[in-house]
Amino acid sequence: DQQVKQNSPSLSVQEGRISILNCDYTNSMFDYFLWYKKYPAEGPTFLISISSIKDKNEDGRFTVFLNKSAKHLSLHIVPSQPGDSAVYFCAASPDAGNNRKLIWGLGTSLAVNP
Amino acid sequence: IAGITQAPTSQILAAGRRMTLRCTQDMRHNAMYWYRQDLGLGLRLIHYSNTAGTTGKGEVPDGYSVSRANTDDFPLTLASAVPSQTSVYFCASSDSRGGFRDYGYTFGSGTRLTVV
Repeated sequence: DQQVKQNSPSLSVQEGRISILNCDYTNSMFDYFLWYKKYPAEGPTFLISISSIKDKNEDGRFTVFLNKSAKHLSLHIVPSQPGDSAVYFCAASPDAGNNRKLIWGLGTSLAVNP
Repeated sequence: IAGITQAPTSQILAAGRRMTLRCTQDMRHNAMYWYRQDLGLGLRLIHYSNTAGTTGKGEVPDGYSVSRANTDDFPLTLASAVPSQTSVYFCASSDSRGGFRDYGYTFGSGTRLTVV
């Protein structure tokens, strides 16, 4: 059973608009969440993360929001650019120590149209 | 090299053959991981290593083995390849020491393996 769920396999957005990618999780013991971006024929690259002690983390055009009571997080990209077109993976970790195996969602493919 | 290097980039392998996928990092990260990515199944952890000399099983370890003789290298071996091992394989590393600092994983570019 998927502990980290990205229910939208794909999303299409116009350039300049906001992209909102969603992620739900089932394990209340997860204490750290990350978003990765993946282009075709490349490995995923780390984008932004958030600790469970926060409800928002911002880095330039990217903001991650965490709602612990709903076990939901979202990634906002504002404004969206064609270069943001990629697959976005949500990942979560139940550990704060050295054993940091991440649990991954299946990804959402974002297309930003010019 | 900077980051993680995986070799080969792609390979077509006959079923039953032995194959080692290579992974080298130059960041002195303590932890390393092997994932496979299959359509509709996301990234699944095969094996991991928290530090040189130790390894552990992920969620899909059967048919694979790893070793971690030193900090930099983490090879993945398929002892006798089967068609279900056709996949894209990603090696990753992280510096998990010192709390949440440097938490993100660094991934290699992947190895596309086709077992026929």
